[in-house]
Amino acid sequence: KQEVTQIPAALSVPEGENLVLNCSFTDSAIYNLQWFRQDPGKGLTSLLLIQSSQREQTSGRLNASLDKSSGRSTLYIAASQPGDSATYLCAARPSNDYKLSFGAGTTVTVRA
Amino acid sequence: EAGVTQFPSHSVIEKGQTVTLRCDPISGHDNLYWYRRVMGKEIKFLLHFVKESKQDESGMPNNRFLAERTGGTYSTLKVQPAELEDSGVYFCASSPYTDTQYFGPGTRLTVL
Repeated sequence: KQEVTQIPAALSVPEGENLVLNCSFTDSAIYNLQWFRQDPGKGLTSLLLIQSSQREQTSGRLNASLDKSSGRSTLYIAASQPGDSATYLCAARPSNDYKLSFGAGTTVTVRA
Repeated sequence: EAGVTQFPSHSVIEKGQTVTLRCDPISGHDNLYWYRRVMGKEIKFLLHFVKESKQDESGMPNNRFLAERTGGTYSTLKVQPAELEDSGVYFCASSPYTDTQYFGPGTRLTVL
């Protein structure tokens, strides 16, 4: 059974600082890993999806890396802004299935 | 293109009552998923439709939950009778194949 852990649970940084969010998973047999953003009271917005064959994906100020062998993914957000304040979730999809296993999320606050 | 929509956004019911949640996937997406997040827990998979067929309902907590997807378009999730522990946020997601899952805003269910 896949277990996904996100540390830290919460993070507060001043504007302009780079953010590093960690996601670890117990079963390395994944098909892909997806990072989501959730704003309070809102749904999940997909940020990046990394296929198992990829090492990283980039979109604007966001960069996500994947190391299957160590069961880790990291989301980097460069030059954080107050608008980046949200909860960030990672979810692993197994190679033989389609159900996503979610971490509990990291709540980020970027102080102006 | 419209995203995944869910109705209602919030429902408050008494224990023992019935509630029906609705999800409209992105047009053309054959795959539809239900997930839920109960207080303090991670988002958990409930079930997966491919068109109108239930592909996997292993995450459904018990037989008080019934999901349907008539005609392979929108889906409903009925809880009958509702219990206190059913309170949480119910998310619907859809995907064209079994790749990126696009999530709706969720329905917040409160059972009193």
